[in-house]
Amino acid sequence: DTAVSQTPKYLVTQMGNDKSIKCEQNLGHDTMYWYKQDSKKFLKIMFSYNNKELIINETVPNRFSPKSPDKAHLNLHINSLELGDSAVYFCASSPWGQYEQYFGPGTRLTVT
Amino acid sequence: SQQGEEDPQALSIQEGENATMNCSYKTSINNLQWYRQNSGRGLVHLILIRSNEREKHSGRLRVTLDTSKKSSSLLITASRAADTASYFCATDEQGAQKLVFGQGTRLTINP
Repeated sequence: DTAVSQTPKYLVTQMGNDKSIKCEQNLGHDTMYWYKQDSKKFLKIMFSYNNKELIINETVPNRFSPKSPDKAHLNLHINSLELGDSAVYFCASSPWGQYEQYFGPGTRLTVT
Repeated sequence: SQQGEEDPQALSIQEGENATMNCSYKTSINNLQWYRQNSGRGLVHLILIRSNEREKHSGRLRVTLDTSKKSSSLLITASRAADTASYFCATDEQGAQKLVFGQGTRLTINP
């Protein structure tokens, strides 16, 4: 009965590859988010979707493309991976209106 | 842009003592939230305080908000080893439709 789940938990890949991270929430929330947490633990929003519609695109390189097939899923596809993409990526969800957010367990991406 | 800044960046105390963490922010907010992150895990929401509230309690947690100083504090009383984690404040900026997180305070409770 996991609320927000992400797969995979760990992802190790080489520069230049394309990879995807999947996120699903079973809370019935309308809004979903992707965050990037760097090695200094700084957490920064990348995207948010409300009911499958893109709301926030926080000046993320267009190598990153989110896709929301329905309001329970928000996937993140990354093209041409670079060393600087190494980080932990968190998915989160919330009811519309910026109430508390529920986070997934994170995906640790390592680009070599 | 980074909104919240936590102070201190790291705090180490003995079990049973109280832990106080501070957060400062820059713009007008709708609310301020505190989250906990255990090592290798996702963030967990602890408490939300609205801009028209000055103090809020939840169990061993006490949060204060001073909008005139643009600052908040999180007090954890009677700390336990299980409280060891990083604590983040997050602000819901007016009109921004997003949360902006601070850099976090790493709290270590020594048994």
